[in-house]
Amino acid sequence: EVQLVESGGGLVQPGGSLRLSCAASGFTFSSYWMSWVRQAPGKGLEWVANIKQDGSEKYYVDSVKGRFTISRDNAKNSLYLQMNSLRAEDTAVYYCAREWYYYDSSGYYPGYFQHWGQGTLVTVSS
Amino acid sequence: QSVLTQPPSVSAAPGQKVTISCSGSSSNIGNNYVSWYQQLPGTAPKLLIYDNNKRPSGIPDRFSGSKSGTSATLGITGLQTGDEADYYCGAWDSSLSVGRVFGGGTKLTVL
Repeated sequence: EVQLVESGGGLVQPGGSLRLSCAASGFTFSSYWMSWVRQAPGKGLEWVANIKQDGSEKYYVDSVKGRFTISRDNAKNSLYLQMNSLRAEDTAVYYCAREWYYYDSSGYYPGYFQHWGQGTLVTVSS
Repeated sequence: QSVLTQPPSVSAAPGQKVTISCSGSSSNIGNNYVSWYQQLPGTAPKLLIYDNNKRPSGIPDRFSGSKSGTSATLGITGLQTGDEADYYCGAWDSSLSVGRVFGGGTKLTVL
């Protein structure tokens, strides 16, 4: 059974930092793209960042570029999100998700989010 | 403002059928696959439909998906009270650096 378990959320002051972790099990972690998706209180879903199987490609939503860093440790079956210079608008539940990519003769492109963790709440407030 | 447009809410009686629309453009729904996610109250989203109309293992055939042009539709038949949830559509938008976009979500109420 695929399991994704996030941790590391909490209350942090504006301008502060936080590191989220996601422990994966039940599948070959190193074979999948992984993403972070967030949901502000009472709002919809927003994709934040993702990382290729070997960590060689990383992509971010514009609003977190330069502040957040996604990384992974395939030996530990773990995904991370380092969040710096946090703002009030970063307050959200952060979900770790396994992502499916399509591959064809012209390359590869994003598909859908197959499995989601239970989420970890990040609150940015003074 | 979400890239994909969904109605904020829909409602229907138990046993009835409901449809949820998702409208986009040629850069997302028009030329790429659509997925749907169900988020029960207080829980994480769960994949409901992928590749426009395919159901993951364990998803009952009461749930269906379709796509036409730049719009997609989620259908739910034989509504149950346990279907009350928020439903989100998603797709890849090839015109954006972000790429991955969602609808704003639709709250389904089973009366």
